[in-house]
Amino acid sequence: GAVVSQHPSRVICKSGTSVKIECRSLDFQATTMFWYRQFPKQSLMLMATSNEGSKATYEQGVEKDKFLINHASLTLSTLTVTSAHPEDSSFYICSARDLSRQVNEQYFGPGTRLTVT
Amino acid sequence: GNSVTQMEGPVTLSEEAFLTINCTYTATGYPSLFWYVQYPGEGLQLLLKATKADDKGSNKGFEATYRKETTSFHLEKGSVQVSDSAVYFCALSDRRTGANSKLTFGKGITLSVRP
Repeated sequence: GAVVSQHPSRVICKSGTSVKIECRSLDFQATTMFWYRQFPKQSLMLMATSNEGSKATYEQGVEKDKFLINHASLTLSTLTVTSAHPEDSSFYICSARDLSRQVNEQYFGPGTRLTVT
Repeated sequence: GNSVTQMEGPVTLSEEAFLTINCTYTATGYPSLFWYVQYPGEGLQLLLKATKADDKGSNKGFEATYRKETTSFHLEKGSVQVSDSAVYFCALSDRRTGANSKLTFGKGITLSVRP
């Protein structure tokens, strides 16, 4: 149980285009999902907290107009990188919390490798 | 604020060696503690967790004990295998029941196990 999927797993796009990444909880409902960014050989940096039916909460220093987050259902959150640039190339990971469990445990997706050329 | 400190890496061991990865934390209240593992090119997987003092989390031969007196959650395994080669992250989450409780991660440490 508690499986989270991400799509696509890898994407290459040209500078100036937008890319959408999907995060789905497959066998549980997740009112809250989290989006992280991971640079090579570094830890995860929390970008934003996504709540179903409301606006996402962004961490300090993360541009909300560049990283658009939508959480329209209890099983799906999307991250759109708008007007992508090479410096946006990174590994993006989402996680979801299963509210049916008492422990504040997050289940992670497999990640999406974004390369902007 | 909350923080997690992991020992500096990388760590290279021979197969069947004993493993210890240190993790200490700073937090207000009583956090839940986690170890996550990330295999090459993949996302994070929960390895084990502990929710209160003196709890021991265990999985796949790995163990960690929640030590409130030393604010530590060191990861141990008695005999590592090549398949254990991965990056290991220590993390904490505050004990609020609200859904927006965040995970605070350590920097991660790369473990390489030689045959």
